[in-house]
Amino acid sequence: GDSVTQTEGPVTVSESESLIINCTYSATSIAYPNLFWYVRYPGEGLQLLLKVITAGQKGSSRGFEATYNKETTSFHLQKASVQESDSAVYYCALGEGGNEKITFGAGTKLTIKP
Amino acid sequence: AQTIHQWPVAEIKAVGSPLSLGCTIKGKSSPNLYWYWQATGGTLQQLFYSITVGQVESVVQLNLSASRPKDDQFILSTEKLLLSHSGFYLCAWSLGQGAETLYFGSGTRLTVL
Repeated sequence: GDSVTQTEGPVTVSESESLIINCTYSATSIAYPNLFWYVRYPGEGLQLLLKVITAGQKGSSRGFEATYNKETTSFHLQKASVQESDSAVYYCALGEGGNEKITFGAGTKLTIKP
Repeated sequence: AQTIHQWPVAEIKAVGSPLSLGCTIKGKSSPNLYWYWQATGGTLQQLFYSITVGQVESVVQLNLSASRPKDDQFILSTEKLLLSHSGFYLCAWSLGQGAETLYFGSGTRLTVL
């Protein structure tokens, strides 16, 4: 079946530093799955951060970026300068597009030190 | 605006007892509905999805069942809980038709003793 592997947490980064959370995927039924990053902020529900459905494209939101790389089957999440408010759990996810099966990674807990 | 409500917020149940968790979506007709489960420290696993009333597809077998008795309601249940059922259960909806952005409820924390 499909699988998503992401940076094992917890991850701690100092404010204003750069961040990368790695995500690689394996899709068994489709060559170009849809890719997502979801986020759960403390005390809030899980919500979409960004998504990319076309290989080679980049998605961005709240200063975060992720590029769909079909050669390396990766979708790493990056931010140039993190803020304390970015502390959350981040999940990479894969969708096959049409059959409603959406697979999540294990999540990466990110803590930003002030 | 669409809202999603899950109930209960938390449950503590005995092994072997029955369970029923619910989810209601308001403000969106004919959504796709999903149940996810996350064991403590584990991965978020898709359990079921439904694209229409009365039809539910199983993704992972965990001795649980799901039903969609109404367009806006999704129920997760079992007649006999196992210790391994403990965890966090999330309901979600999407627009369907390949638009896979999921909108999640606030979840139910289940502890089986």
